[in-house]
Amino acid sequence: SQKIEQNSEALNIQEGKTATLTCNYTNYSPAYLQWYRQDPGRGPVFLLLIRENEKEKRKERLKVTFDTTLKQSLFHITASQPADSATYLCALPDQTGANNLFFGTGTRLTVIP
Amino acid sequence: KAGVTQTPRYLIKTRGQQVTLSCSPISGHRSVSWYQQTPGQGLQFLFEYFSETQRNKGNFPGRFSGRQFSNSRSEMNVSTLELGDSALYLCASSLEGSTGRLAKNIQYFGAGTRLSVL
Repeated sequence: SQKIEQNSEALNIQEGKTATLTCNYTNYSPAYLQWYRQDPGRGPVFLLLIRENEKEKRKERLKVTFDTTLKQSLFHITASQPADSATYLCALPDQTGANNLFFGTGTRLTVIP
Repeated sequence: KAGVTQTPRYLIKTRGQQVTLSCSPISGHRSVSWYQQTPGQGLQFLFEYFSETQRNKGNFPGRFSGRQFSNSRSEMNVSTLELGDSALYLCASSLEGSTGRLAKNIQYFGAGTRLSVL
């Protein structure tokens, strides 16, 4: 069965530095991978989608890479700010092809001023 | 456009009771999915509805059920509540109706219903 692992449950980083979050998956070759942000007491919010034939995707200070050989995605936030503090979730499509997502457990990022 | 609306936001029930949660998707979205989120298990898929039909179901017992109405609004029902059902229940709507490798399936989530079972 498909499995997603996000490298750490929590990550603390100094303001202004680049935060790097890791998402590894097994037993699957997804057509795309998504990243979401979740703040306490709120539902996840979509950030970026990257397809299997794309190596890198950028949106403002966010950058996502997708290595289908390593079965890994890296999520970078450059020039991090305290407002970036949240839990970040990676998600894959269900390997059966159904229209739902399979989520990792998330990494809680804290940006220290 | 209004976002996904879930009601109620908070709910307290006792074991053995049943509960119904409601979700209004973004206008024009026909796919509605439900997820359960707990600290230990993370976000787990419950079921997905598209055009009033359940298209896919996660690995949850039959006590968990749902339905979708012709206006795409959806309800989720949990019968015979157990302590372990305490969780944040999230509804998400998606514009994409397609499945397979070309789909994007971006999910737009509501704020969730926090269910506490005592």
